Amino acid sequence: DGGITQSPKYLFRKEGQNVTLSCEQNLNHDAMYWYRQDPGQGLRLIYYSQIVNDFQKGDIAEGYSVSREKKESFPLTVTSAQKNPTAFYLCASTTTGSNQPQHFGDGTRLSIL
Amino acid sequence: SQQGEEDPQALSIQEGENATMNCSYKTSINNLQWYRQNSGRGLVHLILIRSNEREKHSGRLRVTLDTSKKSSSLLITASRAADTASYFCATDPNDYKLSFGAGTTVTVRA
Repeated sequence: DGGITQSPKYLFRKEGQNVTLSCEQNLNHDAMYWYRQDPGQGLRLIYYSQIVNDFQKGDIAEGYSVSREKKESFPLTVTSAQKNPTAFYLCASTTTGSNQPQHFGDGTRLSIL
Repeated sequence: SQQGEEDPQALSIQEGENATMNCSYKTSINNLQWYRQNSGRGLVHLILIRSNEREKHSGRLRVTLDTSKKSSSLLITASRAADTASYFCATDPNDYKLSFGAGTTVTVRA
């Protein structure tokens, strides 16, 4: 079955620690996205990538980093510079072209220890 | 930046009733999309309406778009307990980035 897999489902971060969230898709989509969702709020875009080896900052990129070395994979690192990382993180992908919906993974919930 | 805003923030209805939620946005768009999110899960795409369309149906879902008022509505007919979820509108102004609203939480009572 084609889809997007995020792991782990739950993640805990200690002070000063970097953590990496995994996102893998087998939909052959070119574009991939990372969103942050806080309680009662909509999704805010962290980073996105339209093609391998290229990515752009979204609205809230500070304290986060990404890489796009393979079409299937778009890992997100939450660095120690992100002072309020507790949130639900969602990865999405889409095919290029006009009027295409995004397909989402089931998210990773990150908490501070 | 969040462009879409849903109204109401929360909605509680009896099973079998219809649920209507609205979305307003600020700038011109290529399309507007509606997504559903069950608690603790990712978003699921429901329906996409293009800027030159006025109404679209998918099963029990009906979406309207009024570009002159920069607004859209999602109607769920004959609601079921399984429709309990949060619903988000997302606008697509430039074909590669979506802007999401804060969502409407719908509770369907048995």
